[in-house]
Amino acid sequence: DTAVSQTPKYLVTQMGNDKSIKCEQNLGHDTMYWYKQDSKKFLKIMFSYNNKELIINETVPNRFSPKSPDKAHLNLHINSLELGDSAVYFCASSPSALGAQYFGPGTRLLVL
Amino acid sequence: QKEVEQNSGPLSVPEGAIASLNCTYSDRGSQSFFWYRQYSGKSPELIMFIYSNGDKEDGRFTAQLNKASQYVSLLIRDSQPSDSATYLCAVLGQGAQKLVFGQGTRLTINP
Repeated sequence: DTAVSQTPKYLVTQMGNDKSIKCEQNLGHDTMYWYKQDSKKFLKIMFSYNNKELIINETVPNRFSPKSPDKAHLNLHINSLELGDSAVYFCASSPSALGAQYFGPGTRLLVL
Repeated sequence: QKEVEQNSGPLSVPEGAIASLNCTYSDRGSQSFFWYRQYSGKSPELIMFIYSNGDKEDGRFTAQLNKASQYVSLLIRDSQPSDSATYLCAVLGQGAQKLVFGQGTRLTINP
């Protein structure tokens, strides 16, 4: 009965590889988000989708590409991984773009 | 000036005392304010939200909002060791559709 789930939980990969992280929510929320939390624990939004439409695209390298096949799913594909991409990536959802957000468990990405 | 500022701590409070966490924000038109708790290695967990000036209480937690001073705080009464975590303040700006987080305050409750 997990509300917001992410896979995988851990991802260890080499520089230059391409990887994807998947997110699903069963809360019936309209809006989903991707956040990056760096080593200093600062949480910063990357993307937001409302009903499959991109509404927030922060200053993120275009190696990062989100995709929302339906409003319950938001995936993140990362091309040509770099050392600086190592971080924890959180998916979140909210009833609307103005509501409280609920976070998934996070995906810990380590690029070697 | 950062959009949302918190004292990074660490803040040490004895068990049973009141822990007071503070947050200031720069966007005067901000409408909604949230407090999240994050245990080490875990995801942020929503504990309180407040929209109107004044106090809002939920169990041992009280959120306080002063829009004139652009200040929001979280009080934790009867602090327990299990309250030891990083507390993140998040603000939804006027017309914005994104939450802006502060850097978090690390709270330690000493038995």
